[in-house]
Amino acid sequence: DAKTTQPPSMDCAEGRAANLPCNHSTISGNEYVYWYRQIHSQGPQYIIHGLKNNETNEMASLIITEDRKSSTLILPHATLRDTAVYYCIVRVARGATNKLIFGTGTLLAVQP
Amino acid sequence: NAGVTQTPKFQVLKTGQSMTLQCAQDMNHNSMYWYRQDPGMGLRLIYYSASEGTTDKGEVPNGYNVSRLNKREFSLRLESAAPSQTSVYFCASRVLTGDRSPLHFGNGTRLTVT
Repeated sequence: DAKTTQPPSMDCAEGRAANLPCNHSTISGNEYVYWYRQIHSQGPQYIIHGLKNNETNEMASLIITEDRKSSTLILPHATLRDTAVYYCIVRVARGATNKLIFGTGTLLAVQP
Repeated sequence: NAGVTQTPKFQVLKTGQSMTLQCAQDMNHNSMYWYRQDPGMGLRLIYYSASEGTTDKGEVPNGYNVSRLNKREFSLRLESAAPSQTSVYFCASRVLTGDRSPLHFGNGTRLTVT
């Protein structure tokens, strides 16, 4: 199973871009990279996912390196409400046991 | 839409007591999941149901049972609670197991076993 490595914590100034890195050096060719976040006392919230190409939605952008061994989640204009734990996940698919494996994530603290 | 609804939000049990955590989704999703979250360990999959009528074990199924009551509801039962089951429990759903659709989570049940 492909595993991910993220820094345990990061700081970002309000209004600036937050760039959250993730390493997934053992990713397989057909595995997607997903990002979720968890704001204190709430359930995880889906942000974005991608396979090879960069992706953008209303919440964030996802940049995946050409060799797919790492990716970066970008929050273009971080606000205090973006303070959360961000999880980078590689989707594991093995027939009927398809499941998402969550690691311990990165705690992003947005500072005023 | 309410999304994924979990009840209760909080629960305290004594060792040996039993209880059922309820989960319902109104998004017509086929697949439903139960996770537990403990400090420093991320989320771990307990059981999942790929579709109505099927259930399968996840990473940490011991001490739990599940029932997929219908397409909307997926319950988690602790037959004889232990202090090691003190945790925050999250239910989630997605359109289909095996596709790329994201998981939608409820806001959790905080369980303490004394």
